[in-house]
Amino acid sequence: DGGITQSPKYLFRKEGQNVTLSCEQNLNHDAMYWYRQDPGQGLRLIYYSQIVNDFQKGDIAEGYSVSREKKESFPLTVTSAQKNPTAFYLCASSPRWLGNYEQYFGPGTRLTVT
Amino acid sequence: GQQVMQIPQYQHVQEGEDFTTYCNSSTTLSNIQWYKQRPGGHPVFLIQLVKSGEVKKQKRLTFQFGEAKKNSSLHITATQTTDVGTYFCAGPRRAAGNKLTFGGGTRVLVKP
Repeated sequence: DGGITQSPKYLFRKEGQNVTLSCEQNLNHDAMYWYRQDPGQGLRLIYYSQIVNDFQKGDIAEGYSVSREKKESFPLTVTSAQKNPTAFYLCASSPRWLGNYEQYFGPGTRLTVT
Repeated sequence: GQQVMQIPQYQHVQEGEDFTTYCNSSTTLSNIQWYKQRPGGHPVFLIQLVKSGEVKKQKRLTFQFGEAKKNSSLHITATQTTDVGTYFCAGPRRAAGNKLTFGGGTRVLVKP
């Protein structure tokens, strides 16, 4: 059963703590993405990875970090430098990084920082 | 820079009525994609349009790509409560290496 998994579904943290969100795919896709979605808003690109061991900043990368050591995994760390971390975080993948390919989204992680 | 804009931002529809949502780009797109996100869920790919003037149908949903490949529309006939959600269009952003850029979405609410 192929797809993208994100864990946990809900995450609560205290302000000042770093937190890592998990994203795993078994679709054998080269490209992976992290988006942030605020209530009633669209999708904003945080980071993307075209291929393993490579990643690039998206539109709102400040306060976030990623790694891509394995093709199937693309974890996102929300650092204490991120001023407004409470949001819905979506991971996605596509066969290649070009915009001609559809993106497959994971179920998302809702992060609440107090 | 290239942007993808969607109108309206919100659409309140009476069950059984038709409506259309629009997607406009400031530049020509090689393709346009549509996604649907149910409340509390994640975006799910619906369709991709590639050719100028292309029209595709999925049951009660009709998708169209403009002749100039700068705009697209989604028309839903006989709206049902299952159509509730946010519909996003997305197109490759040439200025950013052809990364997919999402519009702000049209949030559809259905009145029974």
